[in-house]
Amino acid sequence: TQLLEQSPQFLSIQEGENLTVYCNSSSVFSSLQWYRQEPGEGPVLLVTVVTGGEVKKLKRLTFQFGDARKDSSLHITAAQPGDTGLYLCAGAGRGFKTIFGAGTRLFVKA
Amino acid sequence: NAGVMQNPRHLVRRRGQEARLRCSPMKGHSHVYWYRQLPEEGLKFMVYLQKENIIDESGMPKERFSAEFPKEGPSILRIQQVVRGDSAAYFCASSPPRREGGTDTQYFGPGTRLTVL
Repeated sequence: TQLLEQSPQFLSIQEGENLTVYCNSSSVFSSLQWYRQEPGEGPVLLVTVVTGGEVKKLKRLTFQFGDARKDSSLHITAAQPGDTGLYLCAGAGRGFKTIFGAGTRLFVKA
Repeated sequence: NAGVMQNPRHLVRRRGQEARLRCSPMKGHSHVYWYRQLPEEGLKFMVYLQKENIIDESGMPKERFSAEFPKEGPSILRIQQVVRGDSAAYFCASSPPRREGGTDTQYFGPGTRLTVL
């Protein structure tokens, strides 16, 4: 069974701090995606990483795909209250499934 | 461009009733996914459809749940004889066609929150 485990489950930090959230699996994924979901809304795609070792930057967000394509991380620099939300990683599963992790709920205090 | 639309946004049903959830994909998208999300959890894949064809329903419960995407009109997720455990947020996402094992960009709707009393 393909699973994606995210850590930490919950993170509460002060504005301006840096943070990293992780997405790990024992399975190899052809690609991983990161989504952000706000309360009462659907997830919004942030990035797709495809190549092992790949690093992508999106403003203050840095995404990395592990060399073995089994894990990924999301690093946020100088977090802001607007970064508050649920961060989900997802990977292409067997067939046409998309496997989602349980998410990291981030709260950034002003 | 209109995004993915889902209705209703909130649905309350009593045990034993039927729930019908509708999803209109983005313009130009011919494929939709349905997911279920329980509180404090990630999304669980249910089914992947194209118009008039179910491509992958491996995440769909075998009983009481069905999905369709007719040639005309929205995709429908139907839950018969609902039970309390069906209470969840149900999300639809639309995308261009995807190859098996491949990746696509999915655009999610705002979800339907189903509450079973």
